Amino acid sequence: SQQGEEDPQALSIQEGENATMNCSYKTSINNLQWYRQNSGRGLVHLILIRSNEREKHSGRLRVTLDTSKKSSSLLITASRAADTASYFCATDRARGGGADGLTFGKGTHLIIQP
Amino acid sequence: AAGVIQSPRHLIKEKRETATLKCYPIPRHDTVYWYQQGPGQDPQFLISFYEKMQSDKGSIPDRFSAQQFSDYHSELNMSSLELGDSALYFCASSHTSGGANEQFFGPGTRLTVL
Repeated sequence: SQQGEEDPQALSIQEGENATMNCSYKTSINNLQWYRQNSGRGLVHLILIRSNEREKHSGRLRVTLDTSKKSSSLLITASRAADTASYFCATDRARGGGADGLTFGKGTHLIIQP
Repeated sequence: AAGVIQSPRHLIKEKRETATLKCYPIPRHDTVYWYQQGPGQDPQFLISFYEKMQSDKGSIPDRFSAQQFSDYHSELNMSSLELGDSALYFCASSHTSGGANEQFFGPGTRLTVL
């Protein structure tokens, strides 16, 4: 079964509004990462939050992590048309030792209406 | 800043042919990862290498093999290609010995099997 599940699958908002995307996962993790992907393009790393962190900020991005609920959220504030993309959360498997492959969620397709 | 380099960017092959994809990690990164992303799908982890040794294994078909060389670049070899192998293939790299599994992705190779 899918480790990461994004919610919602699609989100359309007006430019300037805030966008919130959620991710749930099933197993223990070392860290959770968020990526952005424009259609058919590469994955751009946005932010990594470790399992012992609860909140992290980077510019207009705010990520939270609740390991007790196995969930994370990504908030993009003051959205811009250029934020239109698919957003994925990705988790490792807490094997220890690093170099773990990531398990991606299905992604949220975000559309910012000008 | 230098990014992950993948070549070729586009590749067209016939069924049952072979293909080799190449990946050059970010300088000083010691780990490479391979992912496959089908149309409209989330990326699926295939395999990873840390310091030239296989580290983690995902859903890589037996027809595929990979290795990491002494200069840390990696190659993904795909044999007996099938129509279903048509996908975007991403390589990512990380500095695992630095303690975090923050993976940075290349632009991908789009493989089309006819």
